[in-house]
Amino acid sequence: EIVLTQSPGTLSLSPGERATLSCRASQTMSSRYLHWYQQKPGQAPRLLIYGASRRANGIPDRFSGSGSGTDFTLTISSLEPEDFAVYYCQQYGSSPPQTFGQGTKVEIK
Amino acid sequence: QVTLRESGPALVKPTQTLTLTCNFSGFSLTTRAMCVSWIRQPPGKALEWLARIDWDDDKYYSTSLRTRLTISRDTSKNQVVLTMTNMDPADTATYYCARTIYDDYAPRHDYWGQGTLVTVSS
Repeated sequence: EIVLTQSPGTLSLSPGERATLSCRASQTMSSRYLHWYQQKPGQAPRLLIYGASRRANGIPDRFSGSGSGTDFTLTISSLEPEDFAVYYCQQYGSSPPQTFGQGTKVEIK
Repeated sequence: QVTLRESGPALVKPTQTLTLTCNFSGFSLTTRAMCVSWIRQPPGKALEWLARIDWDDDKYYSTSLRTRLTISRDTSKNQVVLTMTNMDPADTATYYCARTIYDDYAPRHDYWGQGTLVTVSS
């Protein structure tokens, strides 16, 4: 079973700053199997990035994903007020078929 | 326009069986690469994937919950149903259904319902 560990747990930043979120897998995995979601309070999650680096439909280009092997990163180049939220990575595997990381909260400093 | 909506009881008693229905529109669950998943989120906690049903009626379950879960579909009604047996207070959560795309990339949830909060309490 692949376990995803996200860090930091909370990231305190100001609007306009760059956010770098980490998702580390417990074993090597294909980058095609790593996705990122954003969740705002009281809302359902939203798909941001799939296959580690591909932006989903309608996602602004300030969001980017990278990584391979066991280390993956979500970068928000310049935080907008609406970007303060919780971010989850998700992986696909064989058993169990899917797992999520525990989330990183990006909060206003 | 893709939409999904969950429905079911807001309150269930311990040991009871939970039945949740996902009504969807804007896509067909018989089209290749289309799937529907159930995901839950306890209050203040992380997302937990539960189950998935695919366009070819293949079904997949969370390893830790597989003995308690059953996912099924009615393609004529555009519905997916999840049952979870032997409910416990630890199962209190918001339950989401989501459209899941499974193409050249790993299954990803691109549209979500608004979620339904299920509380387990006597």
